[in-house]
Amino acid sequence: DGGITQSPKYLFRKEGQNVTLSCEQNLNHDAMYWYRQDPGQGLRLIYYSQIVNDFQKGDIAEGYSVSREKKESFPLTVTSAQKNPTAFYLCASTGTGGNQPQHFGDGTRLSIL
Amino acid sequence: SQQGEEDPQALSIQEGENATMNCSYKTSINNLQWYRQNSGRGLVHLILIRSNEREKHSGRLRVTLDTSKKSSSLLITASRAADTASYFCATDAGGGNKLVFGAGTILRVKS
Repeated sequence: DGGITQSPKYLFRKEGQNVTLSCEQNLNHDAMYWYRQDPGQGLRLIYYSQIVNDFQKGDIAEGYSVSREKKESFPLTVTSAQKNPTAFYLCASTGTGGNQPQHFGDGTRLSIL
Repeated sequence: SQQGEEDPQALSIQEGENATMNCSYKTSINNLQWYRQNSGRGLVHLILIRSNEREKHSGRLRVTLDTSKKSSSLLITASRAADTASYFCATDAGGGNKLVFGAGTILRVKS
């Protein structure tokens, strides 16, 4: 079945450590997105990519990095510079053209040890 | 920045009742979308309404859009316990296929 797979489901980070969250899609979508969700709040855009080998910062990119070497994959690295990384991270993708819905993975919950 | 603002923040109803959630936004849009999120899960797309549409239906869902008031509403009729979730509106005000989400309405349907 087509969809978006995020892994791991739960992740723990030690102080000073970088961690990478995986996002893979088999929907043949060009655009992919990373969001952060804090308790009781909506989604805030971290990074997005509209095509392979290209990506742009969203509203809260500081302390995060991404790569887009393959169409199917858009990994997010939470660096040690992100001082408050505890959150629920969601990856999404969408097809080209306007008026397209976004398809979401089931998220990764990141906590600090 | 948050563009959409949902109202109410939380809603608790009995099974069988209707649930209405509202969303307001600030800038012009091409479309507005509604999503559902079950606890600990990703968002699921429910319905997309374009700026030139005033009303759209999908099963028990009815969405209206008033671009003059920059507002939208989501009506869930004959609610079920399985409708318990958070509901978010999102607009394409971010440009370039980017969505801007509101803070959501938490709906609880009691059986």
